[in-house]
Amino acid sequence: LAKTTQPISMDSYEGQEVNITCSHNNIATNDYITWYQQFPSQGPRFIIQGYKTKVTNEVASLFIPADRKSSTLSLPRVSLSDTAVYYCLGPFSGGYNKLIFGAGTRLAVHP
Amino acid sequence: DAGVTQSPTHLIKTRGQHVTLRCSPISGHKSVSWYQQVLGQGPQFIFQYYEKEERGRGNFPDRFSARQFPNYSSELNVNALLLGDSALYLCASSLTSGRGNEQFFGPGTRLTVL
Repeated sequence: LAKTTQPISMDSYEGQEVNITCSHNNIATNDYITWYQQFPSQGPRFIIQGYKTKVTNEVASLFIPADRKSSTLSLPRVSLSDTAVYYCLGPFSGGYNKLIFGAGTRLAVHP
Repeated sequence: DAGVTQSPTHLIKTRGQHVTLRCSPISGHKSVSWYQQVLGQGPQFIFQYYEKEERGRGNFPDRFSARQFPNYSSELNVNALLLGDSALYLCASSLTSGRGNEQFFGPGTRLTVL
Protein backbone atom coordinates (compact mmCIF):
# COMPACT_ATOMS: atom_id res chain seq x y z
CA LEU A 1 0.00 0.00 0.00
CA ALA A 2 1.41 3.35 -1.02
CA LYS A 3 2.33 5.85 1.66
CA THR A 4 2.23 9.62 1.78
CA THR A 5 4.78 11.81 3.53
CA GLN A 6 4.18 15.40 4.56
CA PRO A 7 5.74 17.77 7.13
CA ILE A 8 4.53 17.28 10.67
CA SER A 9 4.03 21.00 11.31
CA MET A 10 4.34 24.42 9.73
CA ASP A 11 4.07 27.98 10.98
CA SER A 12 2.94 31.03 9.03
CA TYR A 13 1.61 34.53 9.51
CA GLU A 14 -1.62 36.11 8.46
CA GLY A 15 -1.66 37.23 4.85
CA GLN A 16 1.11 34.90 3.71
CA GLU A 17 0.84 32.13 1.16
CA VAL A 18 1.36 28.64 2.56
CA ASN A 19 2.53 25.70 0.51
CA ILE A 20 2.34 22.17 1.95
CA THR A 21 4.04 19.46 -0.06
CA CYS A 22 3.18 15.79 0.10
CA SER A 23 5.14 12.96 -1.45
CA HIS A 24 3.41 9.83 -2.72
CA ASN A 25 5.97 7.78 -4.59
CA ASN A 26 3.81 4.76 -5.41
CA ILE A 27 0.67 6.44 -6.63
CA ALA A 28 -1.30 4.34 -9.10
CA THR A 29 -2.00 5.67 -12.58
CA ASN A 30 -5.73 6.00 -11.93
CA ASP A 31 -5.60 7.48 -8.43
CA TYR A 32 -6.50 11.01 -7.42
CA ILE A 33 -4.78 13.05 -4.74
CA THR A 34 -7.14 14.55 -2.21
CA TRP A 35 -6.57 17.05 0.59
CA TYR A 36 -8.70 17.40 3.70
CA GLN A 37 -8.67 19.99 6.49
CA GLN A 38 -9.53 19.27 10.11
CA PHE A 39 -10.19 21.70 12.95
CA PRO A 40 -10.00 20.51 16.58
CA SER A 41 -12.99 18.42 17.68
CA GLN A 42 -14.48 18.43 14.18
CA GLY A 43 -14.56 15.94 11.34
CA PRO A 44 -12.26 16.43 8.35
CA ARG A 45 -13.48 18.64 5.52
CA PHE A 46 -12.70 18.15 1.82
CA ILE A 47 -10.54 20.93 0.38
CA ILE A 48 -9.48 19.93 -3.10
CA GLN A 49 -8.79 16.96 -5.33
CA GLY A 50 -6.70 16.57 -8.46
CA TYR A 51 -5.22 14.09 -10.88
CA LYS A 52 -2.51 16.11 -12.66
CA THR A 53 -1.23 19.62 -13.37
CA LYS A 54 -3.15 22.29 -11.46
CA VAL A 55 -6.55 22.50 -9.86
CA THR A 56 -7.94 25.64 -8.25
CA ASN A 57 -11.07 26.32 -6.28
CA GLU A 58 -12.27 29.11 -4.01
CA VAL A 59 -10.22 27.79 -1.10
CA ALA A 60 -6.91 26.49 -2.45
CA SER A 61 -4.81 25.39 -5.38
CA LEU A 62 -3.32 21.97 -5.92
CA PHE A 63 -0.20 21.50 -8.01
CA ILE A 64 0.74 18.02 -9.25
CA PRO A 65 3.88 17.62 -11.38
CA ALA A 66 4.00 15.36 -14.41
CA ASP A 67 5.50 12.40 -12.54
CA ARG A 68 2.72 12.66 -9.91
CA LYS A 69 5.09 11.55 -7.16
CA SER A 70 4.26 14.62 -5.11
CA SER A 71 1.65 17.31 -4.79
CA THR A 72 1.57 20.78 -3.24
CA LEU A 73 -1.41 22.35 -1.55
CA SER A 74 -1.29 26.13 -1.77
CA LEU A 75 -3.32 28.32 0.57
CA PRO A 76 -3.31 31.97 -0.53
CA ARG A 77 -3.24 34.74 2.07
CA VAL A 78 -3.90 32.59 5.15
CA SER A 79 -5.83 33.90 8.14
CA LEU A 80 -5.96 32.77 11.76
CA SER A 81 -8.96 30.60 10.90
CA ASP A 82 -6.78 28.48 8.60
CA THR A 83 -5.02 27.05 11.65
CA ALA A 84 -5.81 23.35 11.32
CA VAL A 85 -4.41 19.95 10.40
CA TYR A 86 -4.11 19.33 6.66
CA TYR A 87 -4.12 15.79 5.33
CA CYS A 88 -2.81 14.59 2.02
CA LEU A 89 -4.70 11.42 1.26
CA GLY A 90 -2.78 8.72 -0.47
CA PRO A 91 -3.99 6.39 -3.16
CA PHE A 92 -7.15 4.53 -2.48
CA SER A 93 -6.96 0.86 -1.66
CA GLY A 94 -9.23 -1.50 -3.48
CA GLY A 95 -12.22 -0.62 -5.57
CA TYR A 96 -14.11 1.34 -2.98
CA ASN A 97 -13.85 4.79 -1.51
CA LYS A 98 -11.57 4.16 1.47
CA LEU A 99 -9.66 7.21 2.65
CA ILE A 100 -6.16 6.61 3.99
CA PHE A 101 -5.10 9.35 6.37
CA GLY A 102 -1.55 9.92 7.53
CA ALA A 103 -0.58 12.06 10.49
CA GLY A 104 -1.18 15.28 8.57
CA THR A 105 0.49 18.68 8.75
CA ARG A 106 -0.37 20.93 11.66
CA LEU A 107 -0.49 24.48 10.34
CA ALA A 108 -0.34 27.29 12.87
CA VAL A 109 -1.12 30.79 11.57
CA HIS A 110 0.10 33.63 13.78
CA PRO A 111 -1.08 37.25 13.91
CA ASP B 1 -29.46 21.01 3.92
CA ALA B 2 -28.43 19.14 7.05
CA GLY B 3 -24.99 17.65 7.08
CA VAL B 4 -23.95 14.33 8.50
CA THR B 5 -25.24 13.93 12.04
CA GLN B 6 -23.91 11.63 14.73
CA SER B 7 -25.16 10.67 18.14
CA PRO B 8 -24.31 10.82 20.91
CA THR B 9 -21.68 13.58 20.87
CA HIS B 10 -19.90 12.26 23.93
CA LEU B 11 -20.00 8.92 25.70
CA ILE B 12 -18.26 7.46 28.73
CA LYS B 13 -18.10 3.69 29.19
CA THR B 14 -16.14 1.24 31.29
CA ARG B 15 -14.00 -1.63 30.12
CA GLY B 16 -15.96 -4.66 28.96
CA GLN B 17 -19.11 -2.73 28.13
CA HIS B 18 -20.75 -2.44 24.74
CA VAL B 19 -21.43 0.76 22.80
CA THR B 20 -23.60 1.72 19.82
CA LEU B 21 -22.88 4.84 17.82
CA ARG B 22 -25.31 6.24 15.27
CA CYS B 23 -24.94 8.18 12.05
CA SER B 24 -27.37 9.82 9.65
CA PRO B 25 -25.93 10.61 6.22
CA ILE B 26 -26.66 13.61 4.06
CA SER B 27 -29.97 13.22 2.27
CA GLY B 28 -29.45 11.35 -0.98
CA HIS B 29 -26.14 9.79 0.06
CA LYS B 30 -26.18 6.01 -0.04
CA SER B 31 -22.72 5.25 1.33
CA VAL B 32 -21.57 5.55 4.92
CA SER B 33 -18.06 5.00 6.23
CA TRP B 34 -16.76 4.83 9.78
CA TYR B 35 -13.36 6.02 10.98
CA GLN B 36 -11.60 5.94 14.34
CA GLN B 37 -9.36 8.85 15.29
CA VAL B 38 -7.08 8.49 18.28
CA LEU B 39 -5.79 11.73 19.77
CA GLY B 40 -2.91 13.14 17.75
CA GLN B 41 -3.35 10.79 14.80
CA GLY B 42 -5.22 10.82 11.53
CA PRO B 43 -8.52 8.96 11.17
CA GLN B 44 -8.28 5.22 10.52
CA PHE B 45 -10.81 3.46 8.29
CA ILE B 46 -13.09 0.94 10.01
CA PHE B 47 -15.97 0.14 7.63
CA GLN B 48 -17.77 1.25 4.52
CA TYR B 49 -21.37 0.42 3.68
CA TYR B 50 -23.25 1.03 0.48
CA GLU B 51 -26.87 0.13 -0.10
CA LYS B 52 -26.87 -1.81 3.19
CA GLU B 53 -23.97 -4.01 2.15
CA GLU B 54 -20.48 -3.95 3.59
CA ARG B 55 -18.08 -2.77 0.90
CA GLY B 56 -14.89 -2.55 2.90
CA ARG B 57 -13.41 -3.33 6.27
CA GLY B 58 -10.29 -1.94 7.89
CA ASN B 59 -7.84 -3.65 10.17
CA PHE B 60 -10.02 -3.75 13.28
CA PRO B 61 -10.92 -6.74 15.49
CA ASP B 62 -14.24 -8.56 15.28
CA ARG B 63 -15.41 -6.63 18.34
CA PHE B 64 -16.22 -3.88 15.86
CA SER B 65 -19.32 -4.34 13.73
CA ALA B 66 -21.66 -2.10 11.80
CA ARG B 67 -24.79 -2.11 9.74
CA GLN B 68 -26.70 0.19 7.44
CA PHE B 69 -30.45 0.56 7.46
CA PRO B 70 -32.91 0.99 4.55
CA ASN B 71 -32.94 4.76 5.15
CA TYR B 72 -29.10 4.68 4.78
CA SER B 73 -28.43 5.57 8.39
CA SER B 74 -25.84 3.44 10.11
CA GLU B 75 -24.78 2.05 13.46
CA LEU B 76 -21.31 1.17 14.68
CA ASN B 77 -21.16 -1.35 17.50
CA VAL B 78 -18.15 -2.08 19.66
CA ASN B 79 -18.23 -4.98 22.12
CA ALA B 80 -15.99 -5.73 25.10
CA LEU B 81 -14.59 -2.22 25.20
CA LEU B 82 -10.90 -1.72 25.90
CA LEU B 83 -9.12 1.37 27.13
CA GLY B 84 -7.54 1.67 23.69
CA ASP B 85 -10.96 2.12 22.09
CA SER B 86 -11.08 5.63 23.51
CA ALA B 87 -11.18 7.85 20.45
CA LEU B 88 -13.23 10.14 18.25
CA TYR B 89 -15.44 8.03 15.99
CA LEU B 90 -16.24 9.72 12.72
CA CYS B 91 -18.93 8.92 10.23
CA ALA B 92 -18.69 10.05 6.62
CA SER B 93 -21.24 9.87 3.85
CA SER B 94 -20.88 10.00 0.09
CA LEU B 95 -23.18 9.63 -2.88
CA THR B 96 -21.75 6.28 -3.85
CA SER B 97 -18.93 4.02 -2.77
CA GLY B 98 -16.88 4.67 -5.88
CA ARG B 99 -13.26 5.77 -5.77
CA GLY B 100 -12.79 9.51 -5.63
CA ASN B 101 -16.24 10.30 -4.30
CA GLU B 102 -16.07 13.25 -1.92
CA GLN B 103 -16.79 12.16 1.63
CA PHE B 104 -18.58 14.46 4.04
CA PHE B 105 -17.74 13.93 7.69
CA GLY B 106 -19.91 14.39 10.74
CA PRO B 107 -18.70 16.01 13.97
CA GLY B 108 -17.91 12.66 15.53
CA THR B 109 -18.69 10.87 18.77
CA ARG B 110 -16.07 11.19 21.48
CA LEU B 111 -15.86 7.84 23.29
CA THR B 112 -14.00 7.58 26.58
CA VAL B 113 -13.40 4.14 28.06
CA LEU B 114 -12.47 4.07 31.74
